[in-house]
Amino acid sequence: AQKITQTQPGMFVQEKEAVTLDCTYDTSDPSYGLFWYKQPSSGEMIFLIYQGSYDQQNATEGRYSLNFQKARKSANLVISASQLGDSAMYFCAMREGAAGGSYIPTFGRGTSLIVHP
Amino acid sequence: DTAVSQTPKYLVTQMGNDKSIKCEQNLGHDTMYWYKQDSKKFLKIMFSYNNKELIINETVPNRFSPKSPDKAHLNLHINSLELGDSAVYFCASSRNGPYGYTFGSGTRLTVV
Repeated sequence: AQKITQTQPGMFVQEKEAVTLDCTYDTSDPSYGLFWYKQPSSGEMIFLIYQGSYDQQNATEGRYSLNFQKARKSANLVISASQLGDSAMYFCAMREGAAGGSYIPTFGRGTSLIVHP
Repeated sequence: DTAVSQTPKYLVTQMGNDKSIKCEQNLGHDTMYWYKQDSKKFLKIMFSYNNKELIINETVPNRFSPKSPDKAHLNLHINSLELGDSAVYFCASSRNGPYGYTFGSGTRLTVV
């Protein structure tokens, strides 16, 4: 079974509007971290935002916020006031605990976001 | 100062050759990784080292051999390169715990 599911292969949004990128995850470990990364066409992987499984509040970083719904196992990324430079591939990722304490990383398949002027 | 640097950025080589990709991090992180990103952008973990000890070794052909001389370096050596090895290879590092990773800029390997 996939540990991280991103159901939207592609999304379009108008400049200055908000957009939500979906991510659901699967783990039985009580300690885990959820992340979003941005990969523009230039290829580098840019860290956007982090949510710990024990965090009580949703994480925010500037125009990025993570809508963390633990019971539903979802960690959607919300980008407010989209800009043309937000056009990129977005990856949801998770690190979970395992026997021995090694945190095993898993990435979703990504969502391609295109921002229209 | 570059946090995670990997070299070379581009590598074009012929089938059957042996090549290495180097990675260094100056963040003081304990864990380093190699990921392979295929043409469909899927990121797959290949190896992970924690303080020079191999902790993750996914199903990867044994032509791929990681080497970690110290916790700041994790190199990837590939023997007998095949066409299917063409991909972008990312090095990353992180501190222990359920925390995020810092990625290098990637190495685009093309086998012809």
